[in-house]
Amino acid sequence: AQKITQTQPGMFVQEKEAVTLDCTYDTSDQSYGLFWYKQPSSGEMIFLIYQGSYDEQNATEGRYSLNFQKARKSANLVISASQLGDSAMYFCAMREVNYGQNFVFGPGTRLSVLP
Amino acid sequence: ETGVTQTPRHLVMGMTNKKSLKCEQHLGHNAMYWYKQSAKKPLELMFVYSLEERVENNSVPSRFSPECPNSSHLFLHLHTLQPEDSALYLCASSQDHGDEQFFGPGTRLTVL
Repeated sequence: AQKITQTQPGMFVQEKEAVTLDCTYDTSDQSYGLFWYKQPSSGEMIFLIYQGSYDEQNATEGRYSLNFQKARKSANLVISASQLGDSAMYFCAMREVNYGQNFVFGPGTRLSVLP
Repeated sequence: ETGVTQTPRHLVMGMTNKKSLKCEQHLGHNAMYWYKQSAKKPLELMFVYSLEERVENNSVPSRFSPECPNSSHLFLHLHTLQPEDSALYLCASSQDHGDEQFFGPGTRLTVL
């Protein structure tokens, strides 16, 4: 079974609007971390935001926020005030603390910001 | 230089060639990783080194051979590759195994 699901292969958003990228995960570990990465066409993966399973508040980093709903096992990324430079692939990833500590990545969502 | 660097950025090789990919991190991290990113497939973890010891080998074919001579350098030695090995190979590092990872720009490998 897939551990990380990103159901949106591609998304479009108008510049300056907000967009939500979906991520659901599957784990039986009580202690885990959720990460979002951005991959522009240049190929480099850029770390955006982190949410720990025990964090009670949703993580925020500038224009990025993570809508963490633990009971639903979802960790959606919200980008506010989209910019043209936000066009990229976005990957959700999970690290299970008690199952090897390795990252598992989702298939990604391609976001295109329209002028 | 800062961050994680990878060389070469692009590599074209024949199936009988031997080549090596190099990764260097300037972040003082203790863990390093090799990932393979193929078209239309999720990122696949290949190898993990923590404190210069290999701690993970995800059923990677023996034609890929990693080497970690010290905590700052990671190599991926390639020999007798197949066309299906064509992919983007990403190196990453983290402070410790399990921490957030910082990635290099990747090597785009094409096997003819």
